[in-house]
Amino acid sequence: GESVGLHLPTLSVQEGDNSIINCAYSNSASDYFIWYKQESGKGPQFIIDIRSNMDKRQGQRVTVLLNKTVKHLSLQIAATQPGDSAVYFCAEDSGGTSYGKLTFGQGTILTVHP
Amino acid sequence: DGGITQSPKYLFRKEGQNVTLSCEQNLNHDAMYWYRQDPGQGLRLIYYSQIVNDFQKGDIAEGYSVSREKKESFPLTVTSAQKNPTAFYLCATQVGRGGTEAFFGQGTRLTVV
Repeated sequence: GESVGLHLPTLSVQEGDNSIINCAYSNSASDYFIWYKQESGKGPQFIIDIRSNMDKRQGQRVTVLLNKTVKHLSLQIAATQPGDSAVYFCAEDSGGTSYGKLTFGQGTILTVHP
Repeated sequence: DGGITQSPKYLFRKEGQNVTLSCEQNLNHDAMYWYRQDPGQGLRLIYYSQIVNDFQKGDIAEGYSVSREKKESFPLTVTSAQKNPTAFYLCATQVGRGGTEAFFGQGTRLTVV
């Protein structure tokens, strides 16, 4: 998994498998979290978000889990497809005087093999 | 067609020159951001603006300058004081002051030659 400030990890899966990408955040005051997907040479695209008053949120083929006790965020992708191959970033909104300023993790490279 | 337009897509700069990267949005979003991305790295915040005529330094503002004279526009100038400017630059916008997703442009790749 990834953590803000650490090296870029990689995850390789077979098409049709489920993927789990992890992210550890450091600021216990963060109250809003986002997962982004970035394809090579493009800007990040929003995947799913979650607020700190929730511990799970589901989208189409994606689920985000938030564990505030251990400051951990994960993105689950069901039935992973080759088109899911990209770099995935988590971002946290630190709130307070920095409200609206997102802090990004280093990213995880997901490679899906046909 | 709504969105964020960054131009140019590729930019080459000679050492010692200032260059300006354009970011225009027609989403009517209040907040705009500039991020820098280096190979194999996450995004680092350069400058941000939450309202017209106001902006704040991010984590790596040295060697950069911005202006926010119009809601739609947030240009970034990479000055000669930026010692290692070669990178991928991303502009983003956000509704209101925060707690919502940021929308990104397609980026400008700046190379110093």
